[in-house]
Amino acid sequence: EVQLLESGGGLVQPGGSLRLSCEASGFTFSSYAMSWVRQAPGKGLEWVSGISGSGDTTYYADSLKGRFTISRDNSKNMLYLQMSSLRADDTALYYCASWKKYCTSINCYFYFDYWGQGTLVTVSS
Amino acid sequence: SYELTQPPSMSVSPGQTARITCSGDALPKKYAYWYQQKSGQAPALVIYEDSKRLSGIPERFSGSSSGAVATLTISGAQVEDEADYYCYSTDRSGNQWVFGGGTKLTVL
Repeated sequence: EVQLLESGGGLVQPGGSLRLSCEASGFTFSSYAMSWVRQAPGKGLEWVSGISGSGDTTYYADSLKGRFTISRDNSKNMLYLQMSSLRADDTALYYCASWKKYCTSINCYFYFDYWGQGTLVTVSS
Repeated sequence: SYELTQPPSMSVSPGQTARITCSGDALPKKYAYWYQQKSGQAPALVIYEDSKRLSGIPERFSGSSSGAVATLTISGAQVEDEADYYCYSTDRSGNQWVFGGGTKLTVL
C-alpha cells in the first residue's frame, strides 16, 4: 500500500523558514518523480514544486521566485521542501504527492497519482 | 504565468448533466487532467489525457477537449458527485504545471 506521510508544518513568523518532510513507503521511491502541492484555507490547489526520481531535475512554480527548494534522499525514501522568506500568503495545507511521468511522441507529462494527507503551515506573527 | 480558467461554481439537480469547462492557451497542444476533491479529502484523479477515465471511476464521468477548452461531463450527476473539480495541465514549455481555480459542484 502506498503511503505518503508529511511532517514539519507549524506556525512560523513572516520572514522565517521551515522544512517540510514526506516519508514514502509502498513503492519504489527512486523510480518516481515527486511533488508538493498546496492549498490555502478555503482556496484551490496550487502546484508548488517537483523533482525527478533521481533528484537531478527540479521544477518550481514561477510564483515562488526562488524562495523554496525541493530535494530528496532516495536512501531514506524522503522528500523535502525547504521554505524561506515565508509570507502570510504561504499559509496552506502542503500535500506531498507522487508525480508520475510519461512521454508521448510529442510531449512529456506529469500527473499526481498518490497523495498524502498534508501538513499545515501557518505564517503569522 | 500560465493560467487555466474554470467557472467557480455550478449547481445541478440529481440526474442532470453537469459540464465543467477549463480554458487555457496551451490546451490545443497539451493534455488536460481532472481531479475531484471531496470535503476534507485529498484530491483524486478522475480523467487523464483529456478523455480517459481512470479505472474504477463511474462511466457517467467523461472528458473531452476542443481547441483551447477542456470539458469534464458528469452525465446523470449523483449526490455523491458533489465536490470541487480541478483541471490540471502544463504550459507550452512543459515546465510549469498549473491547476485551474476549481469548480464547486453542488448536486441537490
